[in-house]
Amino acid sequence: QSALTQPRSVSGSPGQSVTISCNGSSSDVGRYEYVSWYQQHPAKAPKVIIFDVRERPSGVPDRFSGSKSGNTASLTISGLQTEDEADYFCCSFAGDSTFYVFGGGTKVTVL
Amino acid sequence: QVQLVQSGAEVKKPGASVKVSCKASGYSDPYYAIHWVRQAPGQSLEWMGMINAGNANRKDSPTFQGRLSITRDTSASTIYMELGSLRSEDTAVYYCVNSYGYSNFNYWGPGTLVTVAS
Repeated sequence: QSALTQPRSVSGSPGQSVTISCNGSSSDVGRYEYVSWYQQHPAKAPKVIIFDVRERPSGVPDRFSGSKSGNTASLTISGLQTEDEADYFCCSFAGDSTFYVFGGGTKVTVL
Repeated sequence: QVQLVQSGAEVKKPGASVKVSCKASGYSDPYYAIHWVRQAPGQSLEWMGMINAGNANRKDSPTFQGRLSITRDTSASTIYMELGSLRSEDTAVYYCVNSYGYSNFNYWGPGTLVTVAS
């Protein structure tokens, strides 16, 4: 069982927006501004799409956005495209004992 | 451009150890951090530990107490992850990952499949 809780799946039609939640605790998501999100296509290594809660690496489309409120972080994909169909994982720094925890992953399906 | 090249797939018996290598290139700063993250089949990601390639400072997940060793060979620009007392639950793809700051795992190796089976 993962330390961070994500919905198993979300879906949307092309052009729609979807939001993935990542529920943590006051020891990880709620304490640190170090939440990141990773996109993983089948049989590929994960790719960072959001770091430091809301920062986008160079080259990541601006339809991906991140936010945080309390112990819950969120990833929103606006204007869903077919290539966005993938698994998405959240990650949070959790201090100098546990270090990093991941969510269980969310499968995004583009209808 | 940072590149991480990992060693090939391994098949091990329960109780054995496995050592996976990660050759890094493209760094201008020798004090870069390499993490190891694993993913069991169909499962999520799990952080295992990290090492600073410049000063060998290490941090390990308490989950792997006593079984995990992360080392470096600076002359070969290579980081090693050794996991001992293998069990079937350790079957996974093992990734070496570069980090920038506290939450940007920005470069990932291709992964190394380790299969533990009798």
